[in-house]
Amino acid sequence: AQSVTQPDIHITVSEGASLELRCNYSYGATPYLFWYVQSPGQGLQLLLKYFSGDTLVQGIKGFEAEFKRSQSSFNLRKPSVHWSDAAEYFCAVGAMNTNAGKSTFGDGTTLTVKP
Amino acid sequence: NAGVTQTPKFQVLKTGQSMTLQCAQDMNHNSMYWYRQDPGMGLRLIYYSASEGTTDKGEVPNGYNVSRLNKREFSLRLESAAPSQTSVYFCASIDITYEQYFGPGTRLTVT
Repeated sequence: AQSVTQPDIHITVSEGASLELRCNYSYGATPYLFWYVQSPGQGLQLLLKYFSGDTLVQGIKGFEAEFKRSQSSFNLRKPSVHWSDAAEYFCAVGAMNTNAGKSTFGDGTTLTVKP
Repeated sequence: NAGVTQTPKFQVLKTGQSMTLQCAQDMNHNSMYWYRQDPGMGLRLIYYSASEGTTDKGEVPNGYNVSRLNKREFSLRLESAAPSQTSVYFCASIDITYEQYFGPGTRLTVT
């Protein structure tokens, strides 16, 4: 069965500082990997996704993530955080060739940005 | 193009009451999902529908039923609400690249 671990429940960074959110997954084959962001009171929005090919993936809002098969990780990064990035971030792993393409979500990491 | 819409946005029920949460998508996606989100527990899949006419249980289906009315609409029904069903409910549809598109959510309180 697939699973996702986001080790950090809550992270606080200063505006302008760099950010890295960790994600580790468990899956038997090459997974589909996603990062979603959820602003307060809103639904989730896709930041970026990895299916195959280049292991460094660029997303919206200046985010990027790197797939490292040897570490079963897909960490999200941003070089300079803006106050508007404060939100909850979810990593998800999707199973290929399964019914309906179900994804499993991590429990989320809440990002607070200090002025 | 409205994406995924959900109604109602907020609802308060008394224990034992029933209600149906509505979800519709206009992106012609085959697959649709219902999740619940509770603090510190991420998203848990309640039911999903791989295509019109099919539904399957997810991780936490007890106390819920679903109907895939047509390709656009996927409803979630609580037959006898319980306080443990107090949560935020999200509907999502999925495209052929497995990207999920979420609705704005329904905030349900059961007293």
